[in-house]
Amino acid sequence: DGGITQSPKYLFRKEGQNVTLSCEQNLNHDAMYWYRQDPGQGLRLIYYSQIVNDFQKGDIAEGYSVSREKKESFPLTVTSAQKNPTAFYLCASRLPGQEPYGYTFGSGTRLTVV
Amino acid sequence: RKEVEQDPGPFNVPEGATVAFNCTYSNSASQSFFWYRQDCRKEPKLLMSVYSSGNEDGRFTAQLNRASQYISLLIRDSKLSDSATYLCVVKDGTDKLIFGTGTRLQVFP
Repeated sequence: DGGITQSPKYLFRKEGQNVTLSCEQNLNHDAMYWYRQDPGQGLRLIYYSQIVNDFQKGDIAEGYSVSREKKESFPLTVTSAQKNPTAFYLCASRLPGQEPYGYTFGSGTRLTVV
Repeated sequence: RKEVEQDPGPFNVPEGATVAFNCTYSNSASQSFFWYRQDCRKEPKLLMSVYSSGNEDGRFTAQLNRASQYISLLIRDSKLSDSATYLCVVKDGTDKLIFGTGTRLQVFP
């Protein structure tokens, strides 16, 4: 079955470390997104990519980096510059032109700083 | 002002009740509107899209008022399994989804 796979499900990071969250999709979707969710808050957009080798900053990009070398993959790196990285991270993808059913989410990665 | 605002909740209702959620959005150029459902510690899942003419999917009815920039979701005959957080979501002209903070619904026996 097609879908989005995020890994790991849970991740613990020591302060000062960079960590990379994986997001892979086999839906042949062009656009991919990274969101962050904090308790009691809505999802906030970190980065998005509408095509391979291109990506744009979202609303809260500081302290994060991404790459889009392959259509299927959109990894997110949480750098040591991100001062409050503990959150639930969600990856999503969509195929332009298939509104409104095109947005699919992965099951998320819960990152905790220890 | 937040781009998408929702009732704060939580809503605690008995099984069989009818419950309504409201949402307002600030960007009049917004193009598409959705309700997503999110279970505790899970990813959001699309519940239904919202059209100006109103649309229904079983016990769920969504309505959009573009003039007032207002979206609603009505759930009839609530089930225990409806307990979740309901997210109002708006797509702006740049292809980004803007999420509300969500309204938590708890249906009790």
